[in-house]
Amino acid sequence: DARVTQTPRHKVTEMGQEVTMRCQPILGHNTVFWYRQTMMQGLELLAYFRNRAPLDDSGMPKDRFSAEMPDATLATLKIQPSEPRDSAVYFCASGYDRFYEQYFGPGTRLTVT
Amino acid sequence: KQEVTQIPAALSVPEGENLVLNCSFTDSAIYNLQWFRQDPGKGLTSLLLIQSSQREQTSGRLNASLDKSSGRSTLYIAASQPGDSATYLCAVNGGSTLGRLYFGRGTQLTVWP
Repeated sequence: DARVTQTPRHKVTEMGQEVTMRCQPILGHNTVFWYRQTMMQGLELLAYFRNRAPLDDSGMPKDRFSAEMPDATLATLKIQPSEPRDSAVYFCASGYDRFYEQYFGPGTRLTVT
Repeated sequence: KQEVTQIPAALSVPEGENLVLNCSFTDSAIYNLQWFRQDPGKGLTSLLLIQSSQREQTSGRLNASLDKSSGRSTLYIAASQPGDSATYLCAVNGGSTLGRLYFGRGTQLTVWP
């Protein structure tokens, strides 16, 4: 049963610390998405990659967030420095291509104190 | 920018009722529309994907329809069960940037025995 995996599942950190979230997309999927979910904003796209190249990162605060795909089996989202307003659930999703069904991971619940 | 609205925001019904959840979107230049289910504290589970050229899709007790020209989709749940209790999210692929999903805020469904 192919699934998107994310680590860690929960992260509590102090303001100013670096946070790295990892995602393993479903094998064979060439498109990876990062979303953030908050009570205030709902689900919003942060960035997405196709064949490991960034296609759209307009939803991401560039001064503190960065997203990369070092290889086809790993996507990372980094926040440095973290702030309390970054507290949210971060989801990774993958698909065969950007016009196909997207499959979501279980999410990383981030709390910044 | 694509705007997605879901009505109602919350719904509470007795077991056995047939339900209709509504989704509307502002930009009809979409590639597809996806319905998801989210259980509390969990990730998103894809329920149905409708391509822009299709009128409806069915999976078990679920039926989703799409009227692209009017910017509307409905999710029909037949013979509802307590296990259907969850938040149902509508997401549109398209608008100003093809490939990214634009999400509604969801309909929180409670089915009581």
